[in-house]
Amino acid sequence: EDQVTQSPEALRLQEGESSSLNCSYTVSGLRGLFWYRQDPGKGPEFLFTLYSAGEEKEKERLKATLTKKESFLHITAPKPEDSATYLCAVNNYGQNFVFGPGTRLSVLP
Amino acid sequence: ETGVTQTPRHLVMGMTNKKSLKCEQHLGHNAMYWYKQSAKKPLELMFVYSLEERVENNSVPSRFSPECPNSSHLFLHLHTLQPEDSALYLCASSQDRGTETQYFGPGTRLLVL
Repeated sequence: EDQVTQSPEALRLQEGESSSLNCSYTVSGLRGLFWYRQDPGKGPEFLFTLYSAGEEKEKERLKATLTKKESFLHITAPKPEDSATYLCAVNNYGQNFVFGPGTRLSVLP
Repeated sequence: ETGVTQTPRHLVMGMTNKKSLKCEQHLGHNAMYWYKQSAKKPLELMFVYSLEERVENNSVPSRFSPECPNSSHLFLHLHTLQPEDSALYLCASSQDRGTETQYFGPGTRLLVL
């Protein structure tokens, strides 16, 4: 059964304090791994798609990396506006998305 | 982001009521999805439509009934719900089923009393 776990469940950082979020997955056939950002009361907002081990993508203070079993979302010098829940999902060859439970990030000024 | 819209944004209903959630996508996509998001649980896929045809129903109780009259509109009809059905219901669309990126609406926050 395809499964996605994320750690930590919650993370509090001081502004400027860099850190990483983890997404571990088991999937029968990985078609893609996705990162989304979700603000309270809103729908998830697409951030990145990664397709193969070794791939990296960056957007502003965020950088996503992928290995055969996990993905990391690195946040460099975060700002309070980066506070959100970050969701990881995998897309398998059965064409469905399997989401992780998310990491709730709080960045304090 | 106005690519996917959902109405209403908030809904309170009794267990004997009948209500409908509406989703509209303005992206020209062919696939649409309903997800349920409960507190501290991963998003749960409920229904998938591709080219207006339902292709997946993930063992969702019959008190939830989807309808997709065309590729731009998706409804979720609700009747005789239970308090445990209270959650955020999210609609999403993608170019085709299996295409990588799904775009989400803002969700409908449902409370069942």
